[in-house]
Amino acid sequence: AIQLTQSPSSLSASVGDRVTITCRASQGISSALAWYQQKPGKAPKLLIYDASSLESGVPSRFSGSGSGTDFTLTISSLQPEDFATYYCQQFNSYTTFGQGTRLEIK
Amino acid sequence: QVQLQESGPGLVKPSQTLSLTCTVSGGSISSGSYYWSWIRQPAGKGLEWIGRIYTSGSTNYNPSLKSRVTISVDTSKNQFSLKLSSVTAADTAVYYCAGGGSRTYDYWGQGTLVTVSS
Repeated sequence: AIQLTQSPSSLSASVGDRVTITCRASQGISSALAWYQQKPGKAPKLLIYDASSLESGVPSRFSGSGSGTDFTLTISSLQPEDFATYYCQQFNSYTTFGQGTRLEIK
Repeated sequence: QVQLQESGPGLVKPSQTLSLTCTVSGGSISSGSYYWSWIRQPAGKGLEWIGRIYTSGSTNYNPSLKSRVTISVDTSKNQFSLKLSSVTAADTAVYYCAGGGSRTYDYWGQGTLVTVSS
């Protein structure tokens, strides 16, 4: 099974900061990667699909990049509502999720 | 707007079978090229994919759970279901149903907590 490793596992940042989260796949997955945001007690919300395509309605401060084994999610200027846990998900072989990155307020 | 809603017992005894249903509203479960999936999340932990069923009825399961999982669809009720047999405390989690294409999970239910305890 393809494993996804996210880094860091947790991150403290301030409103207005630029933040980058990394997701590394154990083998190449082309661009078959999505990013989700999850807030406590809520279902995950799709942010990015096909590694770099922004889901409709998602603010443009979110962006994704990468292909093969290395991917990044960038938030260009953190807003208060962005503090949450972020997951990557691969779709190259069935599907698996990364372990999550918790983004906290500094 | 497609909406999903999980339903089923919140408490299951060890060794028994966990059964959950996901009702799809706002669209037909058999239209388009959609996968309908189950994902779970133990308290304070990450997301684990359980399996999926395609609109054709074909299924794929997480290899680690495959021997215990069955996912089925009832198009007449616009529902799909999960059965997980021989449950233990390790199966205690919030269970989500989700739907989407081959490379996205566009729609999610709100999640339902299932506790395995005697």
